[in-house]
Amino acid sequence: NAGVMQNPRHLVRRRGQEARLRCSPMKGHSHVYWYRQLPEEGLKFMVYLQKENIIDESGMPKERFSAEFPKEGPSILRIQQVVRGDSAAYFCASSQSGVHEQYFGPGTRLTVT
Amino acid sequence: EDQVTQSPEALRLQEGESSSLNCSYTVSGLRGLFWYRQDPGKGPEFLFTLYSAGEEKEKERLKATLTKKESFLHITAPKPEDSATYLCAVQAAHNTDKLIFGTGTRLQVFP
Repeated sequence: NAGVMQNPRHLVRRRGQEARLRCSPMKGHSHVYWYRQLPEEGLKFMVYLQKENIIDESGMPKERFSAEFPKEGPSILRIQQVVRGDSAAYFCASSQSGVHEQYFGPGTRLTVT
Repeated sequence: EDQVTQSPEALRLQEGESSSLNCSYTVSGLRGLFWYRQDPGKGPEFLFTLYSAGEEKEKERLKATLTKKESFLHITAPKPEDSATYLCAVQAAHNTDKLIFGTGTRLQVFP
């Protein structure tokens, strides 16, 4: 039973470029969450999505960041015009419902040069 | 504001030396408290969910307990393979959309 999959595992972007991070939830899970982990800091919630709907984006920066979970295909976290401060590990998690435990993927480590 | 504080930040143990990790939380209505293990360069791995004060869960050398203000992760006779960062997170009843994480305890177990 495949777990949560994320790709790419590592991503290097120059300042001003776009970063696209992909997440496929566990089989049978329809709830997807994105978290960001900065060095020496805890995981911070960014956004919660169900198929074709953004449920809660209260943790996402208002500018340059967007997320989607289309009817077909993976969830995508998109960061436009990246800056050095966007360098972090981005984790995706999925759950069966909004109140069940969340299972995490291996993360995408974004480095902005 | 909902908040999670973990202590100590780092813990070094000799193999076989039992100890406990603490997770203190402030949340207006607890829906659930979660423990995860995170190895370097990997995603958090789910360990336990606790829902109400007095509840306990066990898995191999780990036992998690919950009170109204804090949770403990007890490690009995640890082995080097237990070395990892242990993360605690809470889910508030008023907003189940997200987990609120502490910064973790880095555990090192030496042979």
